[in-house]
Amino acid sequence: AQSVTQLGSHVSVSEGALVLLRCNYSSSVPPYLFWYVQYPNQGLQLLLKYTSAATLVKGINGFEAEFKKSETSFHLTKPSAHMSDAAEYFCAVSGLGETSGSRLTFGEGTQLTVNP
Amino acid sequence: NAGVMQNPRHLVRRRGQEARLRCSPMKGHSHVYWYRQLPEEGLKFMVYLQKENIIDESGMPKERFSAEFPKEGPSILRIQQVVRGDSAAYFCASSLIAGGPETQYFGPGTRLLVL
Repeated sequence: AQSVTQLGSHVSVSEGALVLLRCNYSSSVPPYLFWYVQYPNQGLQLLLKYTSAATLVKGINGFEAEFKKSETSFHLTKPSAHMSDAAEYFCAVSGLGETSGSRLTFGEGTQLTVNP
Repeated sequence: NAGVMQNPRHLVRRRGQEARLRCSPMKGHSHVYWYRQLPEEGLKFMVYLQKENIIDESGMPKERFSAEFPKEGPSILRIQQVVRGDSAAYFCASSLIAGGPETQYFGPGTRLLVL
């Protein structure tokens, strides 16, 4: 079964500092990986996704993530945090097979706090 | 182009009542997914439907929960005889086609509170 693990349920950074949110996956075949952001009382918005086209994926709002097969990781980064980045971030992996191919399996989430 | 719509946004039910959650996918999308987010937890897959068909319900509790996506109208997630443990945010997502790399677009969710 596929799974993702997000290291650190809470991350706090200062405005302007580097943001690093960690995600490790477990999959027997090359996975499709996603990062979503959730603002309070809202749905999830896609930040970026890895589909094997390129290992470094650029997303919206200045975020990017690098797929590292050797480390089974897909960490999310942003060079300079902004107050508006404060939200919960979820890493997810899509399923395999004809029926489960579209099912997303989510990590537990990382709450990002940005301090002024 | 309207996104995924869910209603109601908030729903309060007493134990034993029924809850009906509605989801209208993005225009042109025929694949719908339901996820549940319990307090302080991530989202958990419940069910995947195409028009008039349940494709994967492996994440759905065996009792009291059902889902449908009729030929016309929104997808419905129905919870019978609700219990306090059903209190959660229920999210619907839709996609244009099925498959691993396809993006799922999420609605704002329905927050169910069972008293």
